[in-house]
Amino acid sequence: EAGVAQSPRYKIIEKRQSVAFWCNPISGHATLYWYQQILGQGPKLLIQFQNNGVVDDSQLPKDRFSAERLKGVDSTLKIQPAKLEDSAVYLCASSPVQGSRNTIYFGEGSWLTVV
Amino acid sequence: KQEVTQIPAALSVPEGENLVLNCSFTDSAIYNLQWFRQDPGKGLTSLLLIQSSQREQTSGRLNASLDKSSGRSTLYIAASQPGDSATYLCAAYSGGYQKVTFGTGTKLQVIP
Repeated sequence: EAGVAQSPRYKIIEKRQSVAFWCNPISGHATLYWYQQILGQGPKLLIQFQNNGVVDDSQLPKDRFSAERLKGVDSTLKIQPAKLEDSAVYLCASSPVQGSRNTIYFGEGSWLTVV
Repeated sequence: KQEVTQIPAALSVPEGENLVLNCSFTDSAIYNLQWFRQDPGKGLTSLLLIQSSQREQTSGRLNASLDKSSGRSTLYIAASQPGDSATYLCAAYSGGYQKVTFGTGTKLQVIP
């Protein structure tokens, strides 16, 4: 079974530029998560999708971050314009339909450096 | 709102020592508690998942316990090795849409 795929793995941009990250979850997984992990901290949930609907985006900085999930499968996370404090690893994860036995599976992450 | 805390933030031990990492959560209405390992520059590797109906899970030298009533989980590592050096994260599953909230992490260094 293929895992969660993310691209690009690494990206360096200047502040005020834009960047987009792509995530392909495990086939059939209804729930998709985007987390931001700043160096030395735990992952923070940015947005959570159930199929192609948003169920939680309370910590997404909506003035600069946006995300969509196409046809309930792939997802993109965009940052525009980027700030220095956006330097972090962006982790995508997926999970089957909600239930007590459904663990969450992570991709390798997309590392962003804003200079 | 679920908040997850891990203590200590960093830990340095000599090789061979047994150690305990702690995880506390504020909302006891969780249905899973999961421990992850993260190596520098890498993604998250799942170690153990404890369902709410379980008290503990074991895998090799790792044992994780869950006490929902007190809002605590512990990860016990027996006979630590330098290869165990990494950051350990716990995550609590809660809410109708399976929200997964992470702790702040414990950075472990095992000294040869």
